[in-house]
Amino acid sequence: KAGVTQTPRYLIKTRGQQVTLSCSPISGHRSVSWYQQTPGQGLQFLFEYFSETQRNKGNFPGRFSGRQFSNSRSEMNVSTLELGDSALYLCASSLGGPNTDTQYFGPGTRLTVL
Amino acid sequence: AQTVTQSQPEMSVQEAETVTLSCTYDTSESNYYLFWYKQPPSRQMILVIRQEAYKQQNATENRFSVNFQKAAKSFSLKISDSQLGDTAMYFCAFMKPSGTYKYIFGTGTRLKVLA
Repeated sequence: KAGVTQTPRYLIKTRGQQVTLSCSPISGHRSVSWYQQTPGQGLQFLFEYFSETQRNKGNFPGRFSGRQFSNSRSEMNVSTLELGDSALYLCASSLGGPNTDTQYFGPGTRLTVL
Repeated sequence: AQTVTQSQPEMSVQEAETVTLSCTYDTSESNYYLFWYKQPPSRQMILVIRQEAYKQQNATENRFSVNFQKAAKSFSLKISDSQLGDTAMYFCAFMKPSGTYKYIFGTGTRLKVLA
């Protein structure tokens, strides 16, 4: 079974621009979660999508948004980029069931904002 | 709110020796899951081991085992016979499965295995 894939792997943007990151989950997984990883803050939860609906949301500003498509693929959008948005963005997929629900991570997209 | 604390930012161990990484958490939940994830340098995060809180038996996966102390809210990871490939960042994570849920991650422990 193919793992979680994320595109692109690397991105360089300038302040004020917007960016869209993509995540394709493991086949059969209906839940996709997004995390921001930085050296100073560690792994911070952005949001989770399940069956095209946002099920959970972390404490990030509205500039960070996401969506999920009917095939469970998910996109994350960051508008009006700031220098502090430079980070590794990780996507994780899971079955999305009500009990034990192990997350499997993609390789990440490294975003650099200049 | 749940919190996860990893008090050891960095550790090192000689190849073939044993090392224990600490993790404590705070929750009022009785049913939850705990995980250890490994993130090698510039590589993908992978699941190392998982523990269900309702199980008293400590989880084991080959050279990796946990010491789960529910009352003390402690969840340490023991790596036996350390190998160079174990060099990585290790994250402890908590997940509450009931209702809407999400993972809470610790800040990580950077482990270096020395030849």
